[in-house]
Amino acid sequence: QVQLVESGGDLVKPGGSLRLSCAVSGFNFGDYYISWIRQAPGKGLEWISYIGSSENIVDYADSVKGRFTISRDNGKNSVFLQMDSLRAEDTAVYYCARDQAPSAMSWYFDLWGRGTLVTVSS
Amino acid sequence: EVVLTQSPTTLSLSPGQRATLSCRASQSVRRYLAWYQQKAGQAPRLLIYDSSNRASGVPARFSGSGSGTDFTLIISSLEPDDFAVYYCQQRNNWPLTFGGGTKVEIK
Repeated sequence: QVQLVESGGDLVKPGGSLRLSCAVSGFNFGDYYISWIRQAPGKGLEWISYIGSSENIVDYADSVKGRFTISRDNGKNSVFLQMDSLRAEDTAVYYCARDQAPSAMSWYFDLWGRGTLVTVSS
Repeated sequence: EVVLTQSPTTLSLSPGQRATLSCRASQSVRRYLAWYQQKAGQAPRLLIYDSSNRASGVPARFSGSGSGTDFTLIISSLEPDDFAVYYCQQRNNWPLTFGGGTKVEIK
């Protein structure tokens, strides 16, 4: 089955850390760019990071740069998001999403996971 | 960054009616704009990319148009399954940005 499944969301205190995982199945994971996109409660969507087919191709939104780190393990068909120095404004559902174009970049997202909730609160 | 402004915020219509959703960009994004549908508690679904191309499996009642700064999503005849929130997204300028959404609700 073609799918992305996020996990790792939790309640964490401000300043804390969390690691999210995105497990991929049903397609050739190594061919695709994967992004993390978040949605704060009742709000719109915010792209925060992507990783290319190799780990040296990454980028981040300014809102998370220097605090979040994206990585991937092609052997485990997984993408990870290490989140450090968390703030209340990081509270959101975090989705991983697949780029529409294999072996290229369309920067549109044709497959999304169901999301994992991260709550940052004391 | 490119700011995408969607209007109206809420659209109240009945099944069978035509829905017209607007997305305006703060600067030209050429034709590099997509539309997504999101139902409550679900992930977004890609409907339209590059302004007017329907994604795989998307019904023909969904159509997109526009270029530059003004874009439109039309749902020609609303089905019960179409009541949801719709977002636009541009990929012409970095960072990628999304609009604030238009909720299509049952009147």
